[in-house]
Amino acid sequence: NAGVTQTPKFQVLKTGQSMTLQCAQDMNHEYMSWYRQDPGMGLRLIHYSVGAGITDQGEVPNGYNVSRSTTEDFPLRLLSAAPSQTSVYFCASSYVGERGRSGANVLTFGAGSRLTVL
Amino acid sequence: GNSVTQMEGPVTLSEEAFLTINCTYTATGYPSLFWYVQYPGEGLQLLLKATKADDKGSNKGFEATYRKETTSFHLEKGSVQVSDSAVYFCALRTNAGKSTFGDGTTLTVKP
Repeated sequence: NAGVTQTPKFQVLKTGQSMTLQCAQDMNHEYMSWYRQDPGMGLRLIHYSVGAGITDQGEVPNGYNVSRSTTEDFPLRLLSAAPSQTSVYFCASSYVGERGRSGANVLTFGAGSRLTVL
Repeated sequence: GNSVTQMEGPVTLSEEAFLTINCTYTATGYPSLFWYVQYPGEGLQLLLKATKADDKGSNKGFEATYRKETTSFHLEKGSVQVSDSAVYFCALRTNAGKSTFGDGTTLTVKP
């Protein structure tokens, strides 16, 4: 099992450029999500999905788009990058279900993508 | 909305010292509670969890008990090692699926 794979690991953009951060998981998890991590601010939820074809906004969705066409993939698109989007981005996935179900609701994280917008 | 408040850091301890990192939460319903750990340059990974009141989660010498009456889930370890140096995050998750994280507490253990 590869778990959650994020690409690229590092990216530098100029203001106004667009790009896509890729996220793939091979655990057949229903739930996938994107977080950003900024110093002193913990993790903030950007978007999430509970299954193919279903997405919803998190705490800080502005400037980002997502889609979920397959169970495995959940790409995050930056439409027009801004310096305020300089951050480390994490994709995470999990089973969703009964509390007693092994692994249910436990997030598996990717290694992160460090984005710098100049 | 849901929220998680963690003890502010950073925390610096000597090897073999006792560790407590406080975590309190606010949530509607009955959340599951988690501690995640992040080592330098890596993503977060699950350290331990508890899914209902009075459950104790434990792993690698770390423990935390789900206290519904005080809405707390404090992390403890009796004797820390240098290898425990990391950032620790308290988190909750409700049946609605979204997870809420605290701001993280940086622990440094000195030999």
